[in-house]
Amino acid sequence: AQSVTQLGSHVSVSEGALVLLRCNYSSSVPPYLFWYVQYPNQGLQLLLKYTTGATLVKGINGFEAEFKKSETSFHLTKPSAHMSDAAEYFCAVSEYGSNDYKLSFGAGTTVTVRA
Amino acid sequence: SQTIHQWPATLVQPVGSPLSLECTVEGTSNPNLYWYRQAAGRGLQLLFYSVGIGQISSEVPQNLSASRPQDRQFILSSKKLLLSDSGFYLCAWSAGGDTQYFGPGTRLTVL
Repeated sequence: AQSVTQLGSHVSVSEGALVLLRCNYSSSVPPYLFWYVQYPNQGLQLLLKYTTGATLVKGINGFEAEFKKSETSFHLTKPSAHMSDAAEYFCAVSEYGSNDYKLSFGAGTTVTVRA
Repeated sequence: SQTIHQWPATLVQPVGSPLSLECTVEGTSNPNLYWYRQAAGRGLQLLFYSVGIGQISSEVPQNLSASRPQDRQFILSSKKLLLSDSGFYLCAWSAGGDTQYFGPGTRLTVL
């Protein structure tokens, strides 16, 4: 069974500063990994995903994440934060079960951006 | 392109009343469908998933139930709501692959 740990429930950054959100996972098989973003009172939007191939994955809104198997990590970064990046971010790992893929989510990290 | 709808967007219900939340997907056939609940400070919890009409799998025993009367329609129900049923309910779909796409959600408050 897989699990996801997001380090830090709240992250505050200045506008223009680096955004770094940490995610570690445990999985018994090679994982599929995801980052989702949730704005207040909205659903989850897919930012990026890693399945196979290149370990550095680029997503929407200037975000990227790197899969590091040796560290079982999938940290999310953005070089320069924008006010519109204020949201909650969820890391998730997918594993195939009896008849479908199942997503396990981390607890989420809320990002605030200071002007 | 595919679109997922949920309604209502918000709902306030008294304890003991019934519940029916609806989710529909457009632009795809035979999607896998999912219901999640997001309670304050508790992350996302998978409640039910369905790989086809009439096929429902429950992840967490509770007073909620789900049905899939049509290929692209997924309904979450309860006969008697509890205070603990309050939360943000999210429907999601996938094309049978690893990626799930989420709807806008329904905010349920049970008083």
